[in-house]
Amino acid sequence: QKEVEQDPGPLSVPEGAIVSLNCTYSNSAFQYFMWYRQYSRKGPELLMYTYSSGNKEDGRFTAQVDKSSKYISLFIRDSQPSDSATYLCAMSGVGTNAGKSTFGDGTTLTVKP
Amino acid sequence: DVKVTQSSRYLVKRTGEKVFLECVQDMDHENMFWYRQDPGLGLRLIYFSYDVKMKEKGDIPEGYSVSREKKERFSLILESASTNQTSMYLCASSYGGYEQFFGPGTRLTVL
Repeated sequence: QKEVEQDPGPLSVPEGAIVSLNCTYSNSAFQYFMWYRQYSRKGPELLMYTYSSGNKEDGRFTAQVDKSSKYISLFIRDSQPSDSATYLCAMSGVGTNAGKSTFGDGTTLTVKP
Repeated sequence: DVKVTQSSRYLVKRTGEKVFLECVQDMDHENMFWYRQDPGLGLRLIYFSYDVKMKEKGDIPEGYSVSREKKERFSLILESASTNQTSMYLCASSYGGYEQFFGPGTRLTVL
């Protein structure tokens, strides 16, 4: 079983919808939880990160981490066509391997006007 | 702005050829990574490097080698390309924290 499992999608929603993207993980050593956004034919870019448990909000985006359940989510409010992309969750620990992340497989989101 | 550049966006090679993929970063990052990305398989780590001349195997190193002679440059080498190495190759760098900065990718086709 993979260390990080991501809801596979694809996901197609109308403009203005609330989107929920989710990942589960098995490694208790993970402390950093990231969401990357990857547009077609581009490399991934960091969208948000959270350290340990809790919520973090940035504009229309909210990242949630529940370490007790080993579950993380990214919510997108008032979704826009420009949000259409593949979203990858990623996680890493602290210490010597802190620079190395484990990625989910990605969820492809399409927001239709 | 961190910039990670990759030598080619698209590459077509023949089976058995030796292939070099080059990656350069301009932010003095210690760590550099090579991934391949395939539909349904996500992002898989091939090799990474914590410092010049240092390298460690990732999850799928078979058929690949790497070279890091200078801090800013990390090369991925396919010693004898095979059709199952047709993929999108992504290079990334990081300063050791949580964030990785990715290049635009090289789409390699092996015929």
